[in-house]
Amino acid sequence: AQKVTQAQTEISVVEKEDVTLDCVYETRDTTYYLFWYKQPPSGELVFLIRRNSFDEQNEISGRYSWNFQKSTSSFNFTITASQVVDSAVYFCALARGGFNKFYFGSGTKLNVKP
Amino acid sequence: NAGVTQTPKFQVLKTGQSMTLQCAQDMNHEYMSWYRQDPGMGLRLIHYSVGAGITDQGEVPNGYNVSRSTTEDFPLRLLSAAPSQTSVYFCASRRDSRRGNEQYFGPGTRLTVT
Repeated sequence: AQKVTQAQTEISVVEKEDVTLDCVYETRDTTYYLFWYKQPPSGELVFLIRRNSFDEQNEISGRYSWNFQKSTSSFNFTITASQVVDSAVYFCALARGGFNKFYFGSGTKLNVKP
Repeated sequence: NAGVTQTPKFQVLKTGQSMTLQCAQDMNHEYMSWYRQDPGMGLRLIHYSVGAGITDQGEVPNGYNVSRSTTEDFPLRLLSAAPSQTSVYFCASRRDSRRGNEQYFGPGTRLTVT
């Protein structure tokens, strides 16, 4: 069963536009962690943020912000004033149960055009 | 710190051949894991280890073996390669699995089975 859904396969925006990447997760656990990773064209995976299930505060880091809503099982990622360097595939992931297993979404490819 | 290293970066195998993908980390992390990344499917967990001598299966373990004789190394063995194992393989490590610590990924190995 799909545990993390990233319905947006690919998004294209023009530089300086704001863009939101959606992530919906599924779990019956009360304690879990959510993550976002970035995979630029060079192929490496870069950790962006971690959020535990007890902390619903939104997080802002520079142009990046994250909105965690347990009521809708969503953990969305917004890039403000996008730049060409933001072009990458972004993955949302869930660690649940004993935290031994991470479940990744299928990723959203973001294209930022100049 | 080199972080997580993987060798080789690229490999071409013929059906039925065997090989070992190497993974090492120098961060003294207890937890290590292997993923495969296929187009449109995100990352899927193959095997993981929570410490030396302890391994367990992930989502897609068939056709792969692992062992963990030291904290630093976590090799992935393909016993008889099949075209369905053509993929990009990522090794990752995290401090431990007792909490939702983030994973740090290696640069990946691109494997083609003909």
